[in-house]
Amino acid sequence: EIVLTQSPGTLSLSPGERATLSCRASQSVSNSFLAWYQQKPGQAPRLLIYGASSRATGIPDRFSGSGSGTDFTLIISRLEPEDFAVYYCQQYDYSLQFTFGPGTKVDIK
Amino acid sequence: EVQLVESGGGLVQPGGSLRLSCAASGYTFSSFAMSWVRQAPGKGLERVSSITHTGDKSFYADSVKGRFTISRDNSKNTLDLQMNSLRAEDTAVYYCVRRYWINGLCYWDYWGQGTLVTVSS
Repeated sequence: EIVLTQSPGTLSLSPGERATLSCRASQSVSNSFLAWYQQKPGQAPRLLIYGASSRATGIPDRFSGSGSGTDFTLIISRLEPEDFAVYYCQQYDYSLQFTFGPGTKVDIK
Repeated sequence: EVQLVESGGGLVQPGGSLRLSCAASGYTFSSFAMSWVRQAPGKGLERVSSITHTGDKSFYADSVKGRFTISRDNSKNTLDLQMNSLRAEDTAVYYCVRRYWINGLCYWDYWGQGTLVTVSS
């Protein structure tokens, strides 16, 4: 099973700043099968990025994803107040098996 | 509009059973694989179980294998999770999630609001 590691665990930033979140896989992941989700307290996760770099419907362009192989990145170019949340990366490998990273919490500095 | 609505959560004693259901609407349910994902209090997301769009194959996390059974009824647009021999570590919010697969891309795009399962004496 592919294990995902996310860093940092917590990112303390101010509104307007740039956030860079990392997701590293224990073995190579197809770009087609790497996604990012945002979760706010008391809410279900929401799909942000799929295919490593494609924004889901309705996701603002301040969110961008990149990477390949074992290293992937989510960037929030300028943090808005509603962006403070937990972010998870997810990979799918085969037979409906998938795993999530442990999450990165972006909180207000 | 795609909607996934879970039900069936609640308080159950260790060793007990519970059946979760997910009612899907707003899309052709029978065309999509489905999954259950859970989140223990204050913890991250964990895959529990998945089922193909036809229901002919199912997959389980090692932590629930042999205790949980996923099923679906494409005529009723429902997804179920039968949970037996429940343990304290099964306490979590359980989400019903749709898998989207197109042009070689795969991701889980719609999530229900979740239903809380608490296993405690």
